[in-house]
Amino acid sequence: DQQVKQNSPSLSVQEGRISILNCDYTNSMFDYFLWYKKYPAEGPTFLISISSIKDKNEDGRFTVFLNKSAKHLSLHIVPSQPGDSAVYFCAGTGGFKTIFGAGTRLFVKA
Amino acid sequence: DAGITQSPRHKVTETGTPVTLRCHQTENHRYMYWYRQDPGHGLRLIHYSYGVKDTDKGEVSDGYSVSRSKTEDFLLTLESATSSQTSVYFCAISEGRGRDTQYFGPGTRLTVL
Repeated sequence: DQQVKQNSPSLSVQEGRISILNCDYTNSMFDYFLWYKKYPAEGPTFLISISSIKDKNEDGRFTVFLNKSAKHLSLHIVPSQPGDSAVYFCAGTGGFKTIFGAGTRLFVKA
Repeated sequence: DAGITQSPRHKVTETGTPVTLRCHQTENHRYMYWYRQDPGHGLRLIHYSYGVKDTDKGEVSDGYSVSRSKTEDFLLTLESATSSQTSVYFCAISEGRGRDTQYFGPGTRLTVL
């Protein structure tokens, strides 16, 4: 049972345009969500998070939106840069275990 | 960068042999985790520790054991490696549980022939 689903294995975007990465979850106990970014041959690094009491959190070029009724969150990157090319993992937690999605590989073309 | 190292970084072994992976932190964080990353599955929790000698199972703990005799070290052991355990293994640490950011090590690529 995949509690966190990232249905797009990959996404290709032109430099300067918006990248939108999507994530769906099924566990109603999740009250906190995180996005991690991973470059090849490195460990994942924290990118941005959002609490379930909010519907938006912004940090520079990165914004995460949460739609609790739809159990859906999305990560927007504006403008996209070639250095953003990486695998992005969505994760949900209810305070105990953190469950990660399968990841979406983003390609930003120069 | 959080001070987390993993050793070895790469290992090739044969089916049936024991394997131990080591995670070492210099951050004095209470929580330590072992994940495996496989295509199509993302990061799956194997075991975690919430203190010295305090450990618990994750989603995919079968075939793995862990030990934490010091705050800074968390060992993952495959008692008898199988080909299905070929994966990239990541150690992570956090100050608190759940909502706290996890900091990941660089990973260990394990191949079981």
